[in-house]
Amino acid sequence: KNEVEQSPQNLTAQEGEFITINCSYSVGISALHWLQQHPGGGIVSLFMLSSGKKKHGRLIATINIQEKHSSLHITASHPRDSAVYICAGGGGTSGSRLTFGEGTQLTVNP
Amino acid sequence: EPEVTQTPSHQVTQMGQEVILRCVPISNHLYFYWYRQILGQKVEFLVSFYNNEISEKSEIFDDQFSVERPDGSNFTLKIRSTKLEDSAMYFCASSALFRTDTQYFGPGTRLTVL
Repeated sequence: KNEVEQSPQNLTAQEGEFITINCSYSVGISALHWLQQHPGGGIVSLFMLSSGKKKHGRLIATINIQEKHSSLHITASHPRDSAVYICAGGGGTSGSRLTFGEGTQLTVNP
Repeated sequence: EPEVTQTPSHQVTQMGQEVILRCVPISNHLYFYWYRQILGQKVEFLVSFYNNEISEKSEIFDDQFSVERPDGSNFTLKIRSTKLEDSAMYFCASSALFRTDTQYFGPGTRLTVL
């Protein structure tokens, strides 16, 4: 059974801080998705990566395939970044299904 | 920018009733998914659909659930006889091509079973 574990569960930061959220995943997952869930419940896809690193604005996602570990970084955090960040694994033996982590509740204070 | 839409946004039903949740995926996408999130819990995969048939389904997706693409645009999830434990947010998603492609999520339908 595929597993995805995230840490930390909760994260509070001051505006401007550099933030890192970590995700470990099991053998059988070949693609890692980072998602953002807003307080209203909507889910937005941030990144999908199977190797290397991707960057979009202040967000950076990295993946280490050998260690089965991925990180999401937010540079110069802002209160509007406050949301739940979720990693989800797919591909490989997971096929088309995504296996979700528990999510990290990020709060950025002004 | 194209987006996935879902209707209704909130559905309240009595236990034992049938409900149909509707989704309109992004028009050129080929893979469609349903997920659910019980309040306070993580998102769970229900089913994926490709080429007019179920591609994969989870243990949750039992005989009470069915999916259909009745026309070229809609993708529906039917729950035949709702239970209290079916109360959750249901998300539809679609992706363009490959199974590991980026999935685009709809805003969700909150289902409340009384």
